[in-house]
Amino acid sequence: GNSVTQMEGPVTLSEEAFLTINCTYTATGYPSLFWYVQYPGEGLQLLLKATKADDKGSNKGFEATYRKETTSFHLEKGSVQVSDSAVYFCALSDPQYSGGGADGLTFGKGTHLIIQP
Amino acid sequence: GAGVSQSPSNKVTEKGKDVELRCDPISGHTALYWYRQSLGQGLEFLIYFQGNSAPDKSGLPSDRFSAERTGGSVSTLTIQRTQQEDSAVYLCASSPRGSGYGYTFGSGTRLTVV
Repeated sequence: GNSVTQMEGPVTLSEEAFLTINCTYTATGYPSLFWYVQYPGEGLQLLLKATKADDKGSNKGFEATYRKETTSFHLEKGSVQVSDSAVYFCALSDPQYSGGGADGLTFGKGTHLIIQP
Repeated sequence: GAGVSQSPSNKVTEKGKDVELRCDPISGHTALYWYRQSLGQGLEFLIYFQGNSAPDKSGLPSDRFSAERTGGSVSTLTIQRTQQEDSAVYLCASSPRGSGYGYTFGSGTRLTVV
């Protein structure tokens, strides 16, 4: 089956630090990959996505590159801000794994990011 | 509507009672999904609808859980004879055609079973 593994949190950084949140996946087909962000007290929001190998998704200064050879989709940001404090979820959609038509995203467990001023 | 709307936002119920959670997706989104978010457990996929059909219900944790969608729009998730382990945030999401397009999530319903 499909799975997503993220680095455990919480991750605590100082403002303006460089951020990497690791994500690796297992999939039976050719998945699309996503990062979602959940700010305190809010629902999940799509942050960025990539649909094929070597694609780079980017948004709000965050980037992630779809690496098929390492089955990874690590999230990076060059200079984090206090407002980036949130829980980040890596996810995949694998249309090859119909599972009877599940069509659900498979999520990692989330990484809690804390940015200190 | 402009976003995915879920109601109620919070629900406290006694063990053994039935509850209904409602999701109103973005107009025109044919795909609708239910997830459960438990503390320390991440997001658990429950069920998805394409139109009014639910091709796969295998994510529902027990036969106390059921869901329906009418008119290709509003969906209701029903939990019968609630148990304390059902306490979680229940999230609904919709998508124009399928999960490969990414979701728009609602803010969730926080269910507490006492």
